[in-house]
Amino acid sequence: DQQVKQNSPSLSVQEGRISILNCDYTNSMFDYFLWYKKYPAEGPTFLISISSIKDKNEDGRFTVFLNKSAKHLSLHIVPSQPGDSAVYFCAARPNTGTASKLTFGTGTRLQVTL
Amino acid sequence: EAEVAQSPRYKITEKSQAVAFWCDPISGHATLYWYRQILGQGPELLVQFQDESVVDDSQLPKDRFSAERLKGVDSTLKIQPAELGDSAMYLCASSLAGTDQETQYFGPGTRLLVL
Repeated sequence: DQQVKQNSPSLSVQEGRISILNCDYTNSMFDYFLWYKKYPAEGPTFLISISSIKDKNEDGRFTVFLNKSAKHLSLHIVPSQPGDSAVYFCAARPNTGTASKLTFGTGTRLQVTL
Repeated sequence: EAEVAQSPRYKITEKSQAVAFWCDPISGHATLYWYRQILGQGPELLVQFQDESVVDDSQLPKDRFSAERLKGVDSTLKIQPAELGDSAMYLCASSLAGTDQETQYFGPGTRLLVL
């Protein structure tokens, strides 16, 4: 059972425009959400995170929105740049009071075109 | 900038052979994770260490996989015998103390191909 879903395997956006990557989750115990970016032949790199007590977190060109009632989060990149071309993974973990594992989505490949 | 180190970066082996992967976490990070990422999927946790102790190995196929972190620093993941379905990227990550709202930092991974 896929608890974290990224239903769009790929997305193509023109340079300068906004990229919106979506993620849905089913486990209501998930409390903390992260986005990772992955280039080929490299490990995932942390991008931005959000706690369930917030509905928005912004860091430069990257903003993550969380809609708890819909169990949906999205990553907005604006403006998109060619260097943003990568696979983006959404990840989530429950708040158990101790360290708990991340559950990842299947990823969305973003291509930013000139 | 401190990084998680992994070796080898690539490994090709024949089925039924033994393979081992090594990970050196960021200095001072108490929590170490081994993930497996199959092509087209997201990483899945195999085992999590807090210092030298295993915290979670519920997804580790213990009949063939083993992991250790003897001195609570670097770690080794072993597969014996390797099977065709083990072909994947094996990722190591570390975090400072393993608390809930803490970032995991990933190494570059070891890509395994079993023939």
